[in-house]
Amino acid sequence: DVKVTQSSRYLVKRTGEKVFLECVQDMDHENMFWYRQDPGLGLRLIYFSYDVKMKEKGDIPEGYSVSREKKERFSLILESASTNQTSMYLCASLEQGHGYTFGSGTRLTVV
Amino acid sequence: DQQVKQNSPSLSVQEGRISILNCDYTNSMFDYFLWYKKYPAEGPTFLISISSIKDKNEDGRFTVFLNKSAKHLSLHIVPSQPGDSAVYFCAASSRGSNYKLTFGKGTLLTVNP
Repeated sequence: DVKVTQSSRYLVKRTGEKVFLECVQDMDHENMFWYRQDPGLGLRLIYFSYDVKMKEKGDIPEGYSVSREKKERFSLILESASTNQTSMYLCASLEQGHGYTFGSGTRLTVV
Repeated sequence: DQQVKQNSPSLSVQEGRISILNCDYTNSMFDYFLWYKKYPAEGPTFLISISSIKDKNEDGRFTVFLNKSAKHLSLHIVPSQPGDSAVYFCAASSRGSNYKLTFGKGTLLTVNP
């Protein structure tokens, strides 16, 4: 089974802090994704990557950046955290023909 | 604009009965559709999918129907069980999108014992 691991389940950060959310997959998948989930808004795509060092903006990239230096790791960076970035963050890895495998999520609270 | 719409935020059914979750889409380029199930404090898990070349796909208690002309798909769960209580997300992708999925807002299904 594919495993997608997000380093933290819960995080509390202060406004203005730089925040790193880490995601690691163990199946050599090329495509990885970062979504955020908010009540009433569903899952919205922030950024995705289809290869090492390759990245593309999703639907809501403002305030975020990403890093993919190694195939197994895809990091989401909040350059200067704001309260409207309080959310559940979900990382996913794609196995072609089988859809996404999601991590357990990181519940981020910015105070 | 919302390309994948789940117009019912919630649905409540009795154990043993059928649950029908609906999803509409607007982008005619979508050619692959998926359903995910999500429990609180967990990531979504893949449930079932369907390609646009089919109109039905079945996996155990779960069946997905696709009506391309109406741009509508539905997930049927028969019989419904209390453990099916979760949020269900409909998602869609198109060839050439680098496998990017567009999700609906989700429907909370509650199955009452």
